[in-house]
Amino acid sequence: EPEVTQTPSHQVTQMGQEVILRCVPISNHLYFYWYRQILGQKVEFLVSFYNNEISEKSEIFDDQFSVERPDGSNFTLKIRSTKLEDSAMYFCASSGQGINTGELFFGEGSRLTVL
Amino acid sequence: AQSVTQLDSQVPVFEEAPVELRCNYSSSVSVYLFWYVQYPNQGLQLLLKYLSGSTLVKGINGFEAEFNKSQTSFHLRKPSVHISDTAEYFCAVRMNSGYSTLTFGKGTMLLVSP
Repeated sequence: EPEVTQTPSHQVTQMGQEVILRCVPISNHLYFYWYRQILGQKVEFLVSFYNNEISEKSEIFDDQFSVERPDGSNFTLKIRSTKLEDSAMYFCASSGQGINTGELFFGEGSRLTVL
Repeated sequence: AQSVTQLDSQVPVFEEAPVELRCNYSSSVSVYLFWYVQYPNQGLQLLLKYLSGSTLVKGINGFEAEFNKSQTSFHLRKPSVHISDTAEYFCAVRMNSGYSTLTFGKGTMLLVSP
C-alpha cells in the first residue's frame, strides 16, 4: 500500500542551525502539506503546496520556514535558524483527490529537538 | 474559521467495554469531519470521515461516529474495545467549500486495560 515516508525520524540540532525535513508523498498525489505537533498540544497546520507553489500558510509559517519540491518525488521543509520553540513532531501529508474532500495521508512524522 | 474541541484528554477503559470519544466543532459554514488515530510511534491514520449523506459513519476497526449538526458534534464510538485500540484519537474538521485546511482537535488518549 502506498504511503508517505519521512526522514529523518528524529533529529537533534543546536539552536540557530538549519534543518531540512524530507518527505516522499504518495506518487500520484498532487497536494502536499506540513503540519506540526508540539508535545502535548494539537496538530497544527503549517503550509500547503500545489502546482509548485504555496497554496496556503498559517501564522506559524514565518520567514524562517520554506518548502520546496526539488524533484518529482521529494517535498522538503526547511527551517533556516531553529529556535527552541521549533521542537515538535513534524508531519508531512499528501492528497490526490479534490482538495475539498480528499483524505490526507500522513507520514509517521519527524521529531525535531532543538537544544 | 473553524475549531475543534475534544473535551477529554484521556479516556481510560477496560477491555471489551464500550467507549465514546467526544468531539465538538465550531464553524460558520458547512464542514467535513474526520477522525484520525495515531498508534504509538506511528503516523496519523484515517479512521473515518463524514462528507455528506447518512449521519452515521462507519470506519475501520469497528469504530463509528455520528454527525449531529444541531449539537455540532461528531462523537466517536466503539461497542467493545480491545487492548490494541490504545492510541491517540484526533478529531478534525474542514470547510466543504473552497480550499480549506484540516483543523485538528487536541486529541484524546484512549487507554485500554485488561
